[in-house]
Order: sequence, then structure tokens, then C-alpha cells
Amino acid sequence: QQQVKQSPQSLIVQKGGISIINCAYENTAFDYFPWYQQFPGKGPALLIAIRPDVSEKKEGRFTISFNKSAKQFSLHIMDSQPGDSATYFCAASMRGGATNKLIFGTGTLLAVQP
Amino acid sequence: SAVISQKPSRDICQRGTSLTIQCQVDSQVTMMFWYRQQPGQSLTLIATANQGSEATYESGFVIDKFPISRPNLTFSTLTVSNMSPEDSSIYLCSAATGEAFFGQGTRLTVV
Repeated sequence: QQQVKQSPQSLIVQKGGISIINCAYENTAFDYFPWYQQFPGKGPALLIAIRPDVSEKKEGRFTISFNKSAKQFSLHIMDSQPGDSATYFCAASMRGGATNKLIFGTGTLLAVQP
Repeated sequence: SAVISQKPSRDICQRGTSLTIQCQVDSQVTMMFWYRQQPGQSLTLIATANQGSEATYESGFVIDKFPISRPNLTFSTLTVSNMSPEDSSIYLCSAATGEAFFGQGTRLTVV
């Protein structure tokens, strides 16, 4: 119940295309869902986060879609660029958000081809 | 946001020795966390470190192996004790101020 399942494991997208990464969870007590971007040799960097009271959140080219009934959420990267090539992790936590521990998905390695 | 500095950034250690990793945050934070990340893998939480109390360890991690200090609201250390090659990994410090931020990690190789 503590798991967060992430797919796909890897993704290749052409420059200008849309990258879509999906996550699913079981524990309905989760109430905070962030996405992190990690470049090789660096720590994860917070991209965007959502709480279950909204179905979508957009920041620039990054959008989170949230489906509470299906217990799924996804990251959409519009107009994908080679600089977006990185590993993306979804995560979830409960009882107050990231001040509580985060459970991470397995990660998606994104390659954006020029 | 919070800026988190970790030291050392990498180290190569002999088996049986111990390494202490330092984590400094540029602002006071209530919650700090230590994660382990195998290369190409996801992050696994080792423990939660709150100032003024004992660290809370996740299943599979014990205080004797991974002692943690949290002397104030901006600093924490993680020690990897009696190291074996299986401890080779990236260790990440995180601080939460409503949202969670990460240091750049410490890449540990045990030989």
C-alpha cells in the first residue's frame, strides 16, 4: 500500500513532442504528489507538485494531471527539449505534504532527441 | 526554497571503516531526511531526523549501522558504519519546508 508505481521505465521523445509519465498509488491517505527531475550526478530537483483537491496544475511546459478516483497522476512535458533529458521521479506523501516522508516511484529515464 | 550543501560529494573508503556525511541547510527546517539511491535506481528513505529527538528509521535500516545526528535546525550528519561493498551508493540529504529539497548527494564507493 505504500508503493507508488511509475511507468514507463524509459521514454524517447522527439524534440517538440509531448512526454507523458504515469504514476499510480494505492494508499488513499496520500495527499501530496510532487514530481522531481534528476540529472546525472545531481540531487533531485522539485519540478511541480499537486494536492488531491485539484485535477490539474500547470507550470510553464509542465503539467500534472490528477485522477483521484483512479488513484493515478501523470506528468506531461509539452514541447519537449533536449535539455529535458533526465530521470523523472513521482512521489507521494501523507499528513501534511513533504514535511512528512516521501515515497518515490521507480523513475523514468527520458531522452529527448533533437 | 532551501539550499542544501552536502560534504563530501564523493569518497572511496575501505571496508570496515566509517564515513560521516554532513548536510547543511541555508535556513532553519523542522524536518530533514536521509535517502539512499543506488545508481540508476529510485530513492529509498533511510531515516527522518528531527531536531531534539532520536531519528526515526525505516524498515531495513538500523541506528547502529546508520547513526544520525541533528544538533540544530540547519545541520545533520549521517554516518555509514563498518562499511562493506554493499554500502556503495549515493546518499542524499533532504530538507522539508512545506516542500522537500535535496542536496547534490554523496557518492560512496566501498572497496
